[in-house]
Amino acid sequence: EIVMTQSPATLSVSPGERATLSCRASQSIATNVAWYQQKPGQAPRLLISGASTRATGIPARFSGSGSGTEFALTISTLQSEDSAVYYCQQYNTWPRYTFGQGTKLEVK
Amino acid sequence: EVQMVESGGGLGQPGGSLRVSCAASGFTFNNFAMNWVRQAPGKGLELVSGTSGGVVTTFYADSVKGRFTVSRDNSKNTLYLQMNSLKADDTAVYYCARVGHAGGFDYWGQGTPVTVSS
Repeated sequence: EIVMTQSPATLSVSPGERATLSCRASQSIATNVAWYQQKPGQAPRLLISGASTRATGIPARFSGSGSGTEFALTISTLQSEDSAVYYCQQYNTWPRYTFGQGTKLEVK
Repeated sequence: EVQMVESGGGLGQPGGSLRVSCAASGFTFNNFAMNWVRQAPGKGLELVSGTSGGVVTTFYADSVKGRFTVSRDNSKNTLYLQMNSLKADDTAVYYCARVGHAGGFDYWGQGTPVTVSS
């Protein structure tokens, strides 16, 4: 099983600043990574697939990068509404898709 | 508009059974693989089961293998998860999620809570 490790566990950033969330895969997965945002009481929402392609309706201030084993989600010009838990997911090995443990982002 | 609505969650007894359903609309259901993802209280996301789209193949996480059965009725645009031999560890919100053609799970239902307790 491919293990996805996210860091940091918690991140606190001021509004208007930039946040970078990291995700490491236990083996190479090319660019088969997705990122999700989950707010309390809501279902996850797809932000990024293919490591860097924004999903429909996702603002340009969300960007993804990386390949192989190292990936990042960058959120620029943070807004209070960006406070959420963010998960990475690998989909390199069907059907054994796995999620990272999540990074809690606080914008305050 | 793509929509997926789960139902059937609730309280189940240890060792008992529950079935959750996911009614889909707004897309050609049999063209997409579908999955069940659960989230225990205060925890992360766990992919527990799913099916392919056309010629149906299924898979299960080790944590539910032999106890849960996933199925789909393409004529009713509905995904099911039959959960038997329930354990306290199965307590979670269960989401259905569509596998997007570009990768990742592009649409999710709102989730249905399952609580296993005596």
